[in-house]
Parts: sequence; structure tokens; C-alpha cells
Amino acid sequence: SQQGEEDPQALSIQEGENATMNCSYKTSINNLQWYRQNSGRGLVHLILIRSNEREKHSGRLRVTLDTSKKSSSLLITASRAADTASYFCATDAWSGKLIFGQGTELSVKP
Amino acid sequence: EAGVTQSPTHLIKTRGQQATLRCSPISGHTSVYWYQQALGLGLQFLLWYDEGEERNRGNFPPRFSGRQFPNYSSELNVNALELEDSALYLCASSLGTDQNTEAFFGQGTRLTVV
Repeated sequence: SQQGEEDPQALSIQEGENATMNCSYKTSINNLQWYRQNSGRGLVHLILIRSNEREKHSGRLRVTLDTSKKSSSLLITASRAADTASYFCATDAWSGKLIFGQGTELSVKP
Repeated sequence: EAGVTQSPTHLIKTRGQQATLRCSPISGHTSVYWYQQALGLGLQFLLWYDEGEERNRGNFPPRFSGRQFPNYSSELNVNALELEDSALYLCASSLGTDQNTEAFFGQGTRLTVV
């Protein structure tokens, strides 16, 4: 069964707007990772946040982690058409495998 | 530095045949993971290899198997192919089990079973 649940399933915004995607999970984790996938191709690693971290930044990306609520969010600021993709969260629960959510499909319209 | 490479990119097989998919991890990575991404089902964990050993296995039948070679590359074998096995198969690698590090994915092998 999937550990992570992304919300929303689909998001459509205009270029320049911010996009926020949320992820909830069920068990305690070692870390949580966010990935991007373009049109059924391979996954691109975006950011890893450890269980003892609350916030992390990478360029236009900001990730937060709330272990008490078992949730994480990914914020993409000043979105671009090239950000159009599916975004997945994946949790590492010390089992040696990443458990993925179903993903959020982001569409950024020029 | 080369990323995770997978071959072939596309594979078309007939029901009942066997398929072999290959993965080369990033240099220095000892862990290799296999995932299946079927339409509408998300990414499903298949197998995890580290240092040549199978460490964990997802909820897949035994006809899905694999191995990891001494150079840490890996093969995924799918026997007695069924139509439902049509999917994108993704391989990922990471530094290993004891480190809180990222897993990097290849571009995948798209398997079509007809």
C-alpha cells in the first residue's frame, strides 16, 4: 500500500504563481524526498528533508516537514511552464525502500 | 558523472515470454532499487539490492526476480509475462543502507507485453 498521499491530485496555475503540494504519510520516517517526473520519463530528485529538519530550501523550492502531523509540503515559487510535471513525495522508513504517493499533476500555463 | 542508466529504453514482448531489464547505478552507489509504474497505479516498490544481496521485496509474485552483480549493476527478470506487466520499470541507486541519502533514478525501461 502507498505510504504517502499527495494533495491535490491535480493543480493548474498561471506562470508566475506559486504552487503548493502537500503530502501525508502514515508511519514514522527517516527522511522524506520529493521527485519530479516529466511525461512518464524517469524521476528527477528535487530535495531530501530529514526527520529532524523542519524546512529546507533549494532554489525556487521550499519544503516543510511536520512529523507530528506526518505531513510535508512542497512550494514552488514563481512557477514556469517548464515546471509542468508530476510531483511525488516518497518516504524512507528505514526499510531500505522509498514508498511513493500517487503524485500531484502540476500544469503551469504560460 | 554518469547517472543511473537503464537498458533497453523500450522492450516489446509477447505474453508468456521472459524479459530482462538492466540497470547501472551511479559510480560509488551500492544500493539498487527497482520500481514498477503501471498506468494508474503509481510507483510500486519491487526489489532492493545492496552489496549483492536482496534486502527487501515488494508485493509481487516470484516470477519477478533479479540480482545484483559484483560491480553493483543489476538485472530485473520477469518470467511468464502477462499483459498487466506492461509498465515503466524504473531503477534507482543510492549510497547504501546506512546513509541518509538521496535515491537517483534512471530514465526507465518501458515494457510492453502484447
